[in-house]
Amino acid sequence: DIQMTQSPSSLSASVGDRVTITCRASQSISTYLNWYQQKPGKAPKLLIYAVSSLQSGVPSRFSGSGSGTDFTLTISSLQPEDFASYYCQQSYNTPPTFGGGTKVEIK
Amino acid sequence: EVQLVESGGGLVQPGGSLRLSCAASGFTFSSYSMDWVRQAPGKGLEWVSYISSSSSTIYYADSVKGRFAISRDNAKNSLYLQMNSLRDEDTAVYYCARAPDYYGSGSYRPYYFDYWGQGTLVTVSS
Repeated sequence: DIQMTQSPSSLSASVGDRVTITCRASQSISTYLNWYQQKPGKAPKLLIYAVSSLQSGVPSRFSGSGSGTDFTLTISSLQPEDFASYYCQQSYNTPPTFGGGTKVEIK
Repeated sequence: EVQLVESGGGLVQPGGSLRLSCAASGFTFSSYSMDWVRQAPGKGLEWVSYISSSSSTIYYADSVKGRFAISRDNAKNSLYLQMNSLRDEDTAVYYCARAPDYYGSGSYRPYYFDYWGQGTLVTVSS
């Protein structure tokens, strides 16, 4: 199985900050990388698919980049509603696998 | 509006069985593959199973293979997960998710999970 490693596992940031989350795959996954946001007690929500394609309705402050094994999710200006956990997920191979998550907390 | 509503969760003893259901609406259910994804309390996301739109292709995580069975009824817009021989480590919130798929390396596979249900909690405990 392809292992997905996210860093950091948690971070504290302020409203307006630029936030970057990293995801590394244990082997090349081309551009089969997706990002999800999850708030406490809620289902995950798709933010970005295929590395950089923004899901419909997702604010443009979210962006994704990378290829091969290294990927990043960037929030250009953190908003109060962005405090949540974020997960990367590869769809290059079955089984699809998720990163361990990054919890974004209020500083 | 796409809606996925899970049901069937609850408390079950180790070794017991449970059947989860997911009712879909707001899209052409028979055109999409579907998946189950679970999340143990306080933990991350774990993919469980995939079924193609026509039920011709099915995949399972190694952790549930031989114990769980995914199925669907396109006439009823419903997805199911039959869970047998349940273990403590199966305790989790179970989500159904819609999965546009793609063809790669000789088979169809889920591309991403674009809509999720609210989840149903399965607790395995004596």
